Amino acid sequence: QKEVEQDPGPLSVPEGAIVSLNCTYSNSAFQYFMWYRQYSRKGPELLMYTYSSGNKEDGRFTAQVDKSSKYISLFIRDSQPSDSATYLCAMSGRTGGFKTIFGAGTRLFVKA
Amino acid sequence: NAGVTQTPKFRVLKTGQSMTLLCAQDMNHEYMYWYRQDPGMGLRLIHYSVGEGTTAKGEVPDGYNVSRLKKQNFLLGLESAAPSQTSVYFCASSYPPLPGGPEETQYFGPGTRLLVL
Repeated sequence: QKEVEQDPGPLSVPEGAIVSLNCTYSNSAFQYFMWYRQYSRKGPELLMYTYSSGNKEDGRFTAQVDKSSKYISLFIRDSQPSDSATYLCAMSGRTGGFKTIFGAGTRLFVKA
Repeated sequence: NAGVTQTPKFRVLKTGQSMTLLCAQDMNHEYMYWYRQDPGMGLRLIHYSVGEGTTAKGEVPDGYNVSRLKKQNFLLGLESAAPSQTSVYFCASSYPPLPGGPEETQYFGPGTRLLVL
């Protein structure tokens, strides 16, 4: 079993839709949860970062962490064609040395 | 400020050939990383470095070697390329974590696409 599971999609939605992207994980030591966005033929870039459980909002993006269920989500409101990209979840914990584990990424297409 | 740059952008190798991928960063980051990205597998850490002159193995180090002779450069070498090493390779860099704090944000380069025939 992979430490981080993420549905690769693709996920196709119309412009303006609410998008929900999710990851599950198995390692309870993870404390820091991140979402990276990767445009085609580019490197990933950090989009959102949360610590422990709870929600964090940044503009149209909301990151949600439920440590009891080992489940994290990224919500995109009023999705735009420019949001079309691959979204990778990532997580890490202070377990005697750093170790960031990335999900496989979900490809998102927002149709105009 | 170029951030993280990688050369070459694309390369085709024959099985058994060798090559070196170069990563350079101008953000004065202590930590540097090499990842490979394959469909359905996500980013997997090959090797990393926490400072000039130091390197360590990641999740998938076999078949690769690295060197960090200068703080701003991190080289990834393939001594004898195999078709299984066909992938997109990403370099990243970051500051070290503050004591007791989380890992710092990693900044990625644009990637090198490698095809081994």
